[in-house]
Amino acid sequence: GESVGLHLPTLSVQEGDNSIINCAYSNSASDYFIWYKQESGKGPQFIIDIRSNMDKRQGQRVTVLLNKTVKHLSLQIAATQPGDSAVYFCAENIENQAGTALIFGKGTTLSVSS
Amino acid sequence: EPEVTQTPSHQVTQMGQEVILRCVPISNHLYFYWYRQILGQKVEFLVSFYNNEISEKSEIFDDQFSVERPDGSNFTLKIRSTKLEDSAMYFCASTPNWGLDEKLFFGSGTQLSVL
Repeated sequence: GESVGLHLPTLSVQEGDNSIINCAYSNSASDYFIWYKQESGKGPQFIIDIRSNMDKRQGQRVTVLLNKTVKHLSLQIAATQPGDSAVYFCAENIENQAGTALIFGKGTTLSVSS
Repeated sequence: EPEVTQTPSHQVTQMGQEVILRCVPISNHLYFYWYRQILGQKVEFLVSFYNNEISEKSEIFDDQFSVERPDGSNFTLKIRSTKLEDSAMYFCASTPNWGLDEKLFFGSGTQLSVL
């Protein structure tokens, strides 16, 4: 079936570097995409979202890019900090799908070293 | 900041036993969800709930599972006869409304271990 997935299971960066986490999705009907951060022992925490009618959205130190042509989503974290170390999931949703049943990808573990 | 709370944080049970996982969604939220995450795997949708009814459920949510909102604050997930493969982290989530871009607020989860 169609699902959201991530390119790399792990990413290691140095503190202060910029991080890019990638996600490929296969459901062209998806209208809405979200990035979640999950720290050890905690539930997923919303980071940033983007609708399918946009190709870029910026937050505080984070930017999400959406390329619908190749069905690719990325999360850019500027000046990565040790506190950014976590598992990052992309998730998708479809407008006509009741109940906001998000479909999650497998996750990328970001490790930030000082 | 209001948050979704889940109890217990860890639950160990024997195969075949019934378990009830408890959640207190954020007080003004109307839509409630259960997700689960098997160790090392992605978060999977189980069920959504609104107005005392299930609004959507996944293939995982079979007859062994049920949800209930017994009072104005609690939202529970019951597994009638647990199996080894039910071992996972179970997350409760809530949103104030239903909509395409309503953000889900997740609890910290209950780690269920079935022996």
